[in-house]
Amino acid sequence: EIVLTQSPGTLSLSPGERATLSCRASQSIGSSYVAWYQQKVGQAPRLLIYGVSSRATGIPQRFSGSGSGTDFTLTISRLEPEDFAVYYCQYSERSPLFTFGQGTNLDI
Amino acid sequence: QVQLQESGPGLVKPSQTLSLTCTVSGASITSGNYYWSWLRQSAGKGLEWIGRMHITGTIDYNPSVRRRVTISVDTSKNQFSLNVRSVIAADTGVYYCARDDGRGWNVFEYWGQGTLVTVSS
Repeated sequence: EIVLTQSPGTLSLSPGERATLSCRASQSIGSSYVAWYQQKVGQAPRLLIYGVSSRATGIPQRFSGSGSGTDFTLTISRLEPEDFAVYYCQYSERSPLFTFGQGTNLDI
Repeated sequence: QVQLQESGPGLVKPSQTLSLTCTVSGASITSGNYYWSWLRQSAGKGLEWIGRMHITGTIDYNPSVRRRVTISVDTSKNQFSLNVRSVIAADTGVYYCARDDGRGWNVFEYWGQGTLVTVSS
């Protein structure tokens, strides 16, 4: 079973700055089934990125995803006040099993 | 716009069965090539996928909970349900129902708001 480790646990930045969030897999992921979600307090997660780098419907261009092998990154180019939240990466293996990282808290 | 809403008791006693229902609006469970899932979130385990169903009858479970979990569907009510048997304190958390993207990317595009379930005597 693949384990996803996100870093840092907490990232403290200011509006206008660039955020880089990391998701590392315990072994090489030979497919494109990596996604990112944003979760605000009291809300369900919201899909941001699927297929490593494709933005979901309605997601602003300042969000981008990249990576391959074991290392994947979510980048927010210029932080807006509404971007401060917890971010999760997710991977789906060939057999129906969905794995989430433990989350990065993006703090103002 | 697809909307999902979880419902069920917020408090369950240890060893009993947790039963939740997800009511879907804005789409039919019987239409399209979609998987309908249950997930939960707890302080101890983070986000955890529990299982999913497809209207063709396919049902998949997370091996970690497979022996205690059942997912079923009521097409007449456009609902699907989750039963977790023999609950323990570690089953406490916020339970979400969700629908995938329908294009094979294995992501959760639509979510319910979540319902908190506490296992306690």
